[in-house]
Amino acid sequence: QQPVQSPQAVILREGEDAVINCSSSKALYSVHWYRQKHGEAPVFLMILLKGGEQKGHDKISASFNEKKQQSSLYLTASQLSYSGTYFCGTTFGNEKLTFGTGTRLTIIP
Amino acid sequence: DAGVIQSPRHEVTEMGQEVTLRCKPISGHDYLFWYRQTMMRGLELLIYFNNNVPIDDSGMPEDRFSAKMPNASFSTLKIQPSEPRDSAVYFCASLAGRQGEQFFGPGTRLTVL
Repeated sequence: QQPVQSPQAVILREGEDAVINCSSSKALYSVHWYRQKHGEAPVFLMILLKGGEQKGHDKISASFNEKKQQSSLYLTASQLSYSGTYFCGTTFGNEKLTFGTGTRLTIIP
Repeated sequence: DAGVIQSPRHEVTEMGQEVTLRCKPISGHDYLFWYRQTMMRGLELLIYFNNNVPIDDSGMPEDRFSAKMPNASFSTLKIQPSEPRDSAVYFCASLAGRQGEQFFGPGTRLTVL
């Protein structure tokens, strides 16, 4: 039931855009996105609830497609500070969060 | 608030020894989660509590692992006896309400020799 993320890793130049996908084999209730920098704890980015709502802040946004059981995280005009590993986490109606396989994002100057 | 507090930050022990990891959640949060992170298995949920009561321990790998939450401000994860394959970073996280941001502690890096 672990969601699958793609790509596994991506390297961008500063200012480029990226999309990270998260797919589930089971109907989703909510999708959570976290970012983890090397040697640190995961930090919450946003949550999307069932309903197809798109959320975002600054230049990071996300969408949730219930029918496809997918969520995508969009990073526009990437900055060096965006580097890290991005995890999606899914719930199926309760508070239990199952994290995806992770996507390592490297931003180079 | 100081955030979620975990201790120790690093633990090195020998196979067969007992290990106790500690967590203090954010005051007022009613959910507490224990996760384990390794390169091979990623970030796995081990067990979680609601109002100090264990709700789901299906992620606990085997009987060598146990967790308790005697009160709203303290939880422990114990491994007895420890094995090299238990080496990982263990995170504790707390949550207010059923859906929302989980606040992670800094983690405990456990090395079992």
